Amino acid sequence: KQEVTQIPAALSVPEGENLVLNCSFTDSAIYNLQWFRQDPGKGLTSLLLIQSSQREQTSGRLNASLDKSSGRSTLYIAASQPGDSATYLCAATNAGGTSYGKLTFGQGTILTVHP
Amino acid sequence: DGGITQSPKYLFRKEGQNVTLSCEQNLNHDAMYWYRQDPGQGLRLIYYSQIVNDFQKGDIAEGYSVSREKKESFPLTVTSAQKNPTAFYLCASSIQQGFNEQFFGPGTRLTVL
Repeated sequence: KQEVTQIPAALSVPEGENLVLNCSFTDSAIYNLQWFRQDPGKGLTSLLLIQSSQREQTSGRLNASLDKSSGRSTLYIAASQPGDSATYLCAATNAGGTSYGKLTFGQGTILTVHP
Repeated sequence: DGGITQSPKYLFRKEGQNVTLSCEQNLNHDAMYWYRQDPGQGLRLIYYSQIVNDFQKGDIAEGYSVSREKKESFPLTVTSAQKNPTAFYLCASSIQQGFNEQFFGPGTRLTVL
């Protein structure tokens, strides 16, 4: 059964700092990995989706990488801003077993960027 | 504007009542999903639908029911059989089930009184 873990659970950084959020998954049989942002009490906003054949995706100040063999993905945020404060979730689309085609979510990293 | 809407934003239920959460999308997506989010936990899949008039149980379907009579609508009923229904419920859709990017609605917070 796929398990997705995110480290750290919470992170507090000063504005302007570059930071890395980590996501690990136990089953490397995935189709893609998706990073989301969630503001308090709100739904999820898709940030980046990396296909299993890709190594990374970039959108503005965000860069996500994927290493299937080691079961890891990272989300890099450059020059962080207070508006980046939110919970960041990663989710893997499973390619095998009873969870075929379904997303398995991590528990999220709560990011606080202070001025 | 294309997107997913959920209503109501907040819902209160008394013990023993059934309640229905609404989810509508105008993205012309075939697949729709319902997730439950509890504090400190990731999202868990309740039900999903690949196409109209079809739906499948997810990981935590007990105490819930759904219907998919129209492409754009996927309502979720929380029945009295669900023993711990207080949670944040999120609806999502994708072009097809499984491998496409999922887009989420704003969520409904259900509280049992």
